[in-house]
Amino acid sequence: GAVVSQHPSWVICKSGTSVKIECRSLDFQATTMFWYRQFPKQSLMLMATSNEGSKATYEQGVEKDKFLINHASLTLSTLTVTSAHPEDSSFYICSARSGRDSNEQFFGPGTRLTVL
Amino acid sequence: AQKVTQAQTEISVVEKEDVTLDCVYETRDTTYYLFWYKQPPSGELVFLIRRNSFDEQNEISGRYSWNFQKSTSSFNFTITASQVVDSAVYFCAPPPRDFVFGPGTRLSVLP
Repeated sequence: GAVVSQHPSWVICKSGTSVKIECRSLDFQATTMFWYRQFPKQSLMLMATSNEGSKATYEQGVEKDKFLINHASLTLSTLTVTSAHPEDSSFYICSARSGRDSNEQFFGPGTRLTVL
Repeated sequence: AQKVTQAQTEISVVEKEDVTLDCVYETRDTTYYLFWYKQPPSGELVFLIRRNSFDEQNEISGRYSWNFQKSTSSFNFTITASQVVDSAVYFCAPPPRDFVFGPGTRLSVLP
């Protein structure tokens, strides 16, 4: 099956710093990538949808200026958490969808962010 | 759009017991897909199965089996002879265009 990677797998940072998380589709071209956030013992919550070459579409309640998403190529999307605070500590998961089949998405392994 | 409901939030069983995780879906589409994912404690989502609405045959893969019934709008997942490694959160989900993940069912298999 298709492989999606995320980097880093975990990160610890100080409050006020910015953190960038990369999501890569390794063996297919991802026309669309999704970013999810998951708090402990809760479900995945979609944050935003990004299409290659265009601005991301954010879900209601997600701050665009805080969670910057860039989908500059068909294999890479990045999520930057700007001025991170402890409440941003969470598990961030990306998924990717190829242009061939809109009914399936492939998930990355997730990035655990801890903000001190 | 589709909506899926997993009424069981948490289930605990003893190893070797069989366990069925329920999933009920709502849709107005005539053609649709449903997925099951497993999320172990490590956090990575593991794809288990994808089923389209045209195929009502039950699926079996080792100790896993899925029962898809249009008449009851259900897509249930059964683990036979459960093992401790089956402990995870299991999600029944619609295709990505519908975007909404439910809370899933947290399965604990006790030794």
